[in-house]
Amino acid sequence: SQQGEEDPQALSIQEGENATMNCSYKTSINNLQWYRQNSGRGLVHLILIRSNEREKHSGRLRVTLDTSKKSSSLLITASRAADTASYFCATVTDRGAQKLVFGQGTRLTINP
Amino acid sequence: GAGVSQSPRYKVAKRGQDVALRCDPISGHVSLFWYQQALGQGPEFLTYFQNEAQLDKSGLPSDRFFAERPEGSVSTLKIQRTQQEDSAVYLCASSPRTGPTGANVLTFGAGSRLTVL
Repeated sequence: SQQGEEDPQALSIQEGENATMNCSYKTSINNLQWYRQNSGRGLVHLILIRSNEREKHSGRLRVTLDTSKKSSSLLITASRAADTASYFCATVTDRGAQKLVFGQGTRLTINP
Repeated sequence: GAGVSQSPRYKVAKRGQDVALRCDPISGHVSLFWYQQALGQGPEFLTYFQNEAQLDKSGLPSDRFFAERPEGSVSTLKIQRTQQEDSAVYLCASSPRTGPTGANVLTFGAGSRLTVL
């Protein structure tokens, strides 16, 4: 079973616009991570936010975490055609488990 | 190696055949994970190794699935008597970190796409 749910399932925007994806999860976490997957490829780690952090930036990426609502968002600013991919959130529980539990993903399409 | 390598990239099996999927993790990475990803879905956890020890196999869907990592490096995922519902991409990932509070950032391979006819 999967921990998280991403919203929306699919998002299509014009190049240059900002893209926002949301993730909700069910259990307490140690950290939450976002990964990107291009078609037919493996997942690539983008950014990690710990449970005691509220916001984190990396280049054009901004991640927020609200542990009271058990939710996170990923914002990609000034989108590019190369950002077209599926984006997954993944959580590590705070019970010492090592595995990452992934959501269903958001399929992002950037139209040139 | 420079990254996580998986082989074969594509495997077509007839229902009932046994298959073996190989994963070469990044050299020195202690943790190794197997995930199953169905079309259009997120990866589902199968099993986790710390060195040669299989510490979590709670995600293996049936006793037809078996994974090993005998020397703490290369891992093999074996599926016996394959069924059509086993068709999926099998992803391997490795991480250098261990410990309950370690930030497990995973490096994934490109996956092995299994199609069972």
